[in-house]
Amino acid sequence: DAGVIQSPRHEVTEMGQEVTLRCKPISGHNSLFWYRQTMMRGLELLIYFNNNVPIDDSGMPEDRFSAKMPNASFSTLKIQPSEPRDSAVYFCASSLTSGEKLFFGSGTQLSVL
Amino acid sequence: GEDVEQSLFLSVREGDSSVINCTYTDSSSTYLYWYKQEPGAGLQLLTYIFSNMDMKQDQRLTVLLNKKDKHLSLRIADTQTGDSAIYFCAETTGRRALTFGSGTRLQVQP
Repeated sequence: DAGVIQSPRHEVTEMGQEVTLRCKPISGHNSLFWYRQTMMRGLELLIYFNNNVPIDDSGMPEDRFSAKMPNASFSTLKIQPSEPRDSAVYFCASSLTSGEKLFFGSGTQLSVL
Repeated sequence: GEDVEQSLFLSVREGDSSVINCTYTDSSSTYLYWYKQEPGAGLQLLTYIFSNMDMKQDQRLTVLLNKKDKHLSLRIADTQTGDSAIYFCAETTGRRALTFGSGTRLQVQP
C-alpha cells in the first residue's frame, strides 16, 4: 500500500483565496483525521470521520474551514477565504478505527501571503 | 478533558541513551503510542504499548509505562544522529481520537 497520500505537497496562495487540500487514506481504513501543525500550537486535531461521517469537528477553527469525505477513499479540507494565520502544515491520517494507531501522510505545507 | 505533556527539548551525545518522558491525565487510556517526526515529513509510528503492560522492548527502543503515575517513557539505546527528530507521545481509550503531546525535540550531537 502507498500509505496516506496528500496533495498538494506545498501550496502558496494569497489572502482571500480558496484553498483545497486533498487526502487519500489507506485502503480499508475506516477513520480519517485532519490535523494542523504550527510552531505555536503544535499538533491540533481539526476534524475526524468514521465511515465517511464527521464525528468530531470541534477543532475546526471557524466557519472558513470545511471538510468533506464523499467516499471511503477521498477527503478534502477547504479554507475559504484563506488568511495568513492559516499558514501551517496540514496532515491527513487514517486508521482502521478511531481509537487505533494512526498512519500519517506527508502533509501539505500551506503558506498564505 | 484528556491532556498529554512532554518536555520540549532533549540533547544527548551520539552513543548515549536518550530517555523521553510523557505524562497523561486520562486514567482510562488503553493504548499509548510513540511517533517520530523527521524534518519535512509526517509522523511515523515508532512503537506502542497497551495499558496492561509495564514494558515493551523493540530493538533499541524500550517503552516503560507506569499506570499509577500516568507516566510513559521512551528509551533509545545507543542514540545515533539519525535519531534526531521530534518525538510525540499519544494516548487513547480506544473509543476516541488520539490525543498528542506537544512533542520533544531530540538533538543528537556527534
